[in-house]
Amino acid sequence: QKEVEQNSGPLSVPEGAIASLNCTYSDRVSQSFFWYRQYSGKSPELIMSIYSNGDKEDGRFTAQLNKASQYVSLLIRDSQPSDSATYLCAVIRGSTLGRLYFGRGTQLTVWP
Amino acid sequence: GAVVSQHPSRVICKSGTSVKIECRSLDFQATTMFWYRQFPKQSLMLMATSNEGSKATYEQGVEKDKFLINHASLTLSTLTVTSAHPEDSSFYICSARRGGGGNPNSPLHFGNGTRLTVT
Repeated sequence: QKEVEQNSGPLSVPEGAIASLNCTYSDRVSQSFFWYRQYSGKSPELIMSIYSNGDKEDGRFTAQLNKASQYVSLLIRDSQPSDSATYLCAVIRGSTLGRLYFGRGTQLTVWP
Repeated sequence: GAVVSQHPSRVICKSGTSVKIECRSLDFQATTMFWYRQFPKQSLMLMATSNEGSKATYEQGVEKDKFLINHASLTLSTLTVTSAHPEDSSFYICSARRGGGGNPNSPLHFGNGTRLTVT
């Protein structure tokens, strides 16, 4: 499933830095976009959802969406070691069944 | 708290046997559930969409006769891996939307997953 592409990383940043995660998608009619975090051996947990162009902020997390460029990003400010995980970009393609497709994920390590 | 419960969390079986995995929505009805599979170091791959009261919809390349899905009630979907082989060893995760089949664009909530090992 190549509908969602992520820079696979791994990405390593120092504590307190900004981590930037990127994602592109192929289906132009996609309407809904999500970022999930997955710790090793665990199931994904939702961090952010974004549906409109622009920025959406939630605490230290900011999601950015540009539908014209088919691009979604996630910024993590003031990164903490506990943020170390794999971050999955997910997209709902144009479908009434709402099937969610994932990118390969970007592994983030925040070092103290 | 958890909104989707999955059982068992871990199972080891012998090659050729079948394994059933249960997925329950807690405190809400889910007319649609989704089953994913994740191999080590890879992303979640959508296997099929489970539809209450009707046949499941399988993604391209997924064998419907091998991965049997039953969605007999509004809170329970099961995935049965039939005649399991070592290459079926994987992390299987189910998901659902709170609010049932309502808004198809709302986020999915995931169960804790089932680690299947076929020896």
